[in-house]
Amino acid sequence: GAGVSQSPRYKVAKRGQDVALRCDPISGHVSLFWYQQALGQGPEFLTYFQNEAQLDKSGLPSDRFFAERPEGSVSTLKIQRTQQEDSAVYLCASSLAMNQPQHFGDGTRLSIL
Amino acid sequence: RKEVEQDPGPFNVPEGATVAFNCTYSNSASQSFFWYRQDCRKEPKLLMSVYSSGNEDGRFTAQLNRASQYISLLIRDSKLSDSATYLCVVNVRGSQGNLIFGKGTKLSVKP
Repeated sequence: GAGVSQSPRYKVAKRGQDVALRCDPISGHVSLFWYQQALGQGPEFLTYFQNEAQLDKSGLPSDRFFAERPEGSVSTLKIQRTQQEDSAVYLCASSLAMNQPQHFGDGTRLSIL
Repeated sequence: RKEVEQDPGPFNVPEGATVAFNCTYSNSASQSFFWYRQDCRKEPKLLMSVYSSGNEDGRFTAQLNRASQYISLLIRDSKLSDSATYLCVVNVRGSQGNLIFGKGTKLSVKP
C-alpha cells in the first residue's frame, strides 16, 4: 500500500539489549515524526525530521534513544540498553510538509522483559 | 497538569444515542485542533479538524472555544462502528508541527 510502513510489527527484547525500529514514510513526504504511546495514554512526541535534518529531538526521554533519517526517506529509531519502561507502541507519522495532516503507521509494539 | 486533558471514560451508550466529549488545553499558543480516532491496537486516524466557527461532518460536530481553551466533539445517532478511543489533539504555534495528544476518551456503543 501507499501508507506509512513500520517494522517490525512486534518486538520482544530482554532488558539491556539494543533495538532498532524502522519507518518507511509515504513517498515524497518531507516531514517525519516519531511518537511513543504507553498503555492507556495518548501518543507523546519524541522527535521530528524535515528531510534528513533532525530539527527537534526534545521529546526523546534519554540519551539511550537515537533517531536518524540519513537519506531523507526511511527513518530508524534506535534504543540502546533497553529498560522495562521503554515498553510501549512506537508510532511513526509522515506529512507532505510541516503542519500538514500527519499519516500514521501501524506502530511497533515493543515489549522489554 | 497535562497540556491536553480529556475524560478517559468509558462512555457506554446504546445505538442511536447522542454522545459528547470534551477536552481542555492549557497552552494558549495552540493554533490547530483535531479529533483523532484510534481503534484497539491500531494507529490514530484523523477524524476531523476543528475550526473556530465550529464544523460538521455527517453525524460528527466539532466546536472550539478559544477563550475557554475548550474543544468538543458531538456524535449523533451513534453506530456500533463508532466504538473506539477519541483523541483530542492540538498543535502549538511555533512548533515543528508535532501533535500534542490527550489520553483519549473511550466510547463503547452497544446494540
